[in-house]
Amino acid sequence: GESVGLHLPTLSVQEGDNSIINCAYSNSASDYFIWYKQESGKGPQFIIDIRSNMDKRQGQRVTVLLNKTVKHLSLQIAATQPGDSAVYFCAERYPSGGGADGLTFGKGTHLIIQP
Amino acid sequence: GAGVSQSPRYKVAKRGQDVALRCDPISGHVSLFWYQQALGQGPEFLTYFQNEAQLDKSGLPSDRFFAERPEGSVSTLKIQRTQQEDSAVYLCASSLKVDLLAFFGQGTRLTVV
Repeated sequence: GESVGLHLPTLSVQEGDNSIINCAYSNSASDYFIWYKQESGKGPQFIIDIRSNMDKRQGQRVTVLLNKTVKHLSLQIAATQPGDSAVYFCAERYPSGGGADGLTFGKGTHLIIQP
Repeated sequence: GAGVSQSPRYKVAKRGQDVALRCDPISGHVSLFWYQQALGQGPEFLTYFQNEAQLDKSGLPSDRFFAERPEGSVSTLKIQRTQQEDSAVYLCASSLKVDLLAFFGQGTRLTVV
């Protein structure tokens, strides 16, 4: 079947290792960021979010780091498992003042966990 | 329902045919979003509703695309005179408020032949 990860940058890590997925966002006025995981044939699934007044947030096995100076977001996944294999998207939201805005998604990274 | 539900999951349309894609958001969610995801790309914003009001439709690619949410719950994305470039996965997302995270449905994969 068609893969959501086709043509995307790929990161391959060994099972049990830590992985870091990076994302450069586009708008310095963005105030809210989300990491989504997408498996083939499924919609994006929320992993973790962070607001612009924070620089780090931790969840279960995941950590998001935000560097507003260089407009960079990263997702760290500890002790990767086979189920972590998916495409990961960062998304930013920036207020336009003209109503609500949808999220702007990055291009995505295909994470492959090697056994 | 427990999550965002979209139907149909798959739709094959002949070029020139009109299609209608349905989204059932999570009960009580005020905000509803439609996104288009081409193969190998991230989702791209199409339009946004707050209750029944369509507050942003800046992402709709042409006037062949039309979305509605007449009673502030179920939404329909309609594409008239489909073209091959309309082939994509159409994702719907809902959130309790606009500034809270959005939950996505599984999408409708539209293939125009």
